[in-house]
Amino acid sequence: EAGVVQSPRYKIIEKKQPVAFWCNPISGHNTLYWYLQNLGQGPELLIRYENEEAVDDSQLPKDRFSAERLKGVDSTLKIQPAELGDSAVYLCASSLGQDEAFFGQGTRLTVV
Amino acid sequence: GENVEQHPSTLSVQEGDSAVIKCTYSDSASNYFPWYKQELGKGPQLIIDIRSNVGEKKDQRIAVTLNKTAKHFSLHITETQPEDSAVYFCAASKASSYKLIFGSGTRLLVRP
Repeated sequence: EAGVVQSPRYKIIEKKQPVAFWCNPISGHNTLYWYLQNLGQGPELLIRYENEEAVDDSQLPKDRFSAERLKGVDSTLKIQPAELGDSAVYLCASSLGQDEAFFGQGTRLTVV
Repeated sequence: GENVEQHPSTLSVQEGDSAVIKCTYSDSASNYFPWYKQELGKGPQLIIDIRSNVGEKKDQRIAVTLNKTAKHFSLHITETQPEDSAVYFCAASKASSYKLIFGSGTRLLVRP
């Protein structure tokens, strides 16, 4: 069975440009998470979905970040406009409720 | 707020020796404690987890212990091998939010 799939793996953009990341969770997992991981630190939650509903987006910078999970399966995370400080790894994870969360490989974003 | 402290930040051991990583959590409502291994350029991989109704869990060379009273949990790796070298993260979550609060990570180096 395929794990959590993210794309792209790497993205380099100029500041003020938009960028989008895509995540395909493990089949049947109703809970989907987007985490942000800065260099040398542990992941931090940006947003959590239960099916298609965003149930925790308290740490998502809503002035520039947005996310959606159409039909409760795939999800996209968008940044517009990107800032230099957004350079980080964006991780997607999925789980069945509070069961084990499985992470994708992540998207490494570099804003120049 | 919710916090997980992890130490040491770096750990170097000789192949065959044991390694111990310790974490302390702040939220007494936390009931789920996973450990993740992250290799360079990859997403975190779940290696073992424990729930609050269990004091200890073992899987081959890896074991986790939980002391709910002290709000401590630890990862024990015995007979370490060079392929155990990676960054290890502890995390904690509670049933009301599913949000994983990660520690700051331990970089483990196993010297051949």
